[in-house]
Amino acid sequence: GQNIDQPTEMTATEGAIVQINCTYQTSGFNGLFWYQQHAGEAPTFLSYNVLDGLEEKGRFSSFLSRSKGYSYLLLKELQMKDSASYLCAVRRNYGQNFVFGPGTRLSVLP
Amino acid sequence: DTEVTQTPKHLVMGMTNKKSLKCEQHMGHRAMYWYKQKAKKPPELMFVYSYEKLSINESVPSRFSPECPNSSLLNLHLHALQPEDSALYLCASSQDVTSGGISTDTQYFGPGTRLTVL
Repeated sequence: GQNIDQPTEMTATEGAIVQINCTYQTSGFNGLFWYQQHAGEAPTFLSYNVLDGLEEKGRFSSFLSRSKGYSYLLLKELQMKDSASYLCAVRRNYGQNFVFGPGTRLSVLP
Repeated sequence: DTEVTQTPKHLVMGMTNKKSLKCEQHMGHRAMYWYKQKAKKPPELMFVYSYEKLSINESVPSRFSPECPNSSLLNLHLHALQPEDSALYLCASSQDVTSGGISTDTQYFGPGTRLTVL
């Protein structure tokens, strides 16, 4: 079976840094993805980890520890437009089978 | 071009209707996906096509019937749906490549079709 967990909601202030955690237990693992989804819109790709460590892309960074089944997305210099849901998704190691976590709704306040 | 297009954007149908959702990508991707997303929930995988062959069917009811006419197109045929099938239906595509045992795929999503079943 599979279980992916994220905090339901988070609130942060404009200009601050926020870390969104994702823990997973899945039957097979071949990569973890982070997506951003604004209300009523499609998910957009943010970051991808398949090996342990930190991946940095501008204001966004993502970290993975496969032994701990743990990832986080770090957002720096928060902007109001970063208010959205953030989804982590695990690709299982057979076929193209992706499982999404429940998502974290982030609210950025002025 | 990193665009996945979906038509229609909105669809309202009765339980006895037959309709189809369409998805198109011109990125040369060889894997295409259908997801269902209810409000405030994550996307749920329904079907995956890899190289135009159905590779994953996540126990989806037969009232949903996928079709992949060619590597750029993906359809979802709908028949005798129930009100609980109302949701946002998302299409996605990815390259479907693996290097050294590690898949470097990234999915790109279309804008979705918001379906309402009356």
